[in-house]
Amino acid sequence: DQQVKQNSPSLSVQEGRISILNCDYTNSMFDYFLWYKKYPAEGPTFLISISSIKDKNEDGRFTVFLNKSAKHLSLHIVPSQPGDSAVYFCAASAASGTYKYIFGTGTRLKVLA
Amino acid sequence: DTEVTQTPKHLVMGMTNKKSLKCEQHMGHRAMYWYKQKAKKPPELMFVYSYEKLSINESVPSRFSPECPNSSLLNLHLHALQPEDSALYLCASSPTGTAKGYTFGSGTRLTVV
Repeated sequence: DQQVKQNSPSLSVQEGRISILNCDYTNSMFDYFLWYKKYPAEGPTFLISISSIKDKNEDGRFTVFLNKSAKHLSLHIVPSQPGDSAVYFCAASAASGTYKYIFGTGTRLKVLA
Repeated sequence: DTEVTQTPKHLVMGMTNKKSLKCEQHMGHRAMYWYKQKAKKPPELMFVYSYEKLSINESVPSRFSPECPNSSLLNLHLHALQPEDSALYLCASSPTGTAKGYTFGSGTRLTVV
C-alpha cells in the first residue's frame, strides 16, 4: 500500500519555465512533508519542507503548496534551470515522535536548455 | 560540520562475506537511520536509532545487524547477504523531538555477488 504517491514518473520542462511536481498521500495522520532532490549515485538533498499548519512555504525558486483536504502537495520551481534536472521525492511523516518518513516513488525532472 | 559521511562509497561482497557499512555525523543529531534504496524505487526505512537505542526495526532480516556505538556513529553489519540485497544504502540523521528534515549521506552502493 503506497501511502505517498507521485503519479508522474517523469517531467520535461523548458529552461526558464515553471516546473510543477505533484505528490498525493493517503494517511490523514501525516502532518509534516518534505521534498528532496537526488542526483545519480548521491544521497537525497533536502529542498524544502512544510507542516500541516501552513498551506504554502517559499524558499527562493522553490515553493511548496499543501492542500490538506485533497491530501495533495506540489513543488513549484520557477524559473527552472538545467541544474534542477534530478529525481525529486516527496516524503511525509506523522510528527508524533517516530521520526519515520514515507517516501514517494519520485519524479524525474529534465530541464531542457 | 553539516554532513553525514558514509564509508565505503562502493562495496562488492560475496554471499559468505562479512562486511560493515559506516556512518558518521557531528551535528549533534540524536536520531540516526538506515534506508535501503533499489533502482527506480523510493528509499525504504530499515532501522531508526534514537539516543543510541534501536527504536524502529522495519522487519529487516537478521543478516543486517545495526549498531550505534555512540551518538556520532552508526554501523550496519552485513553477513550472508543475497544478490537481491544489492542496493544503495543510505544513512541519515536528524534532531530528535522534531519531524524536520533529515540530512542524508551520499550512500554506499552495495553489490552482492
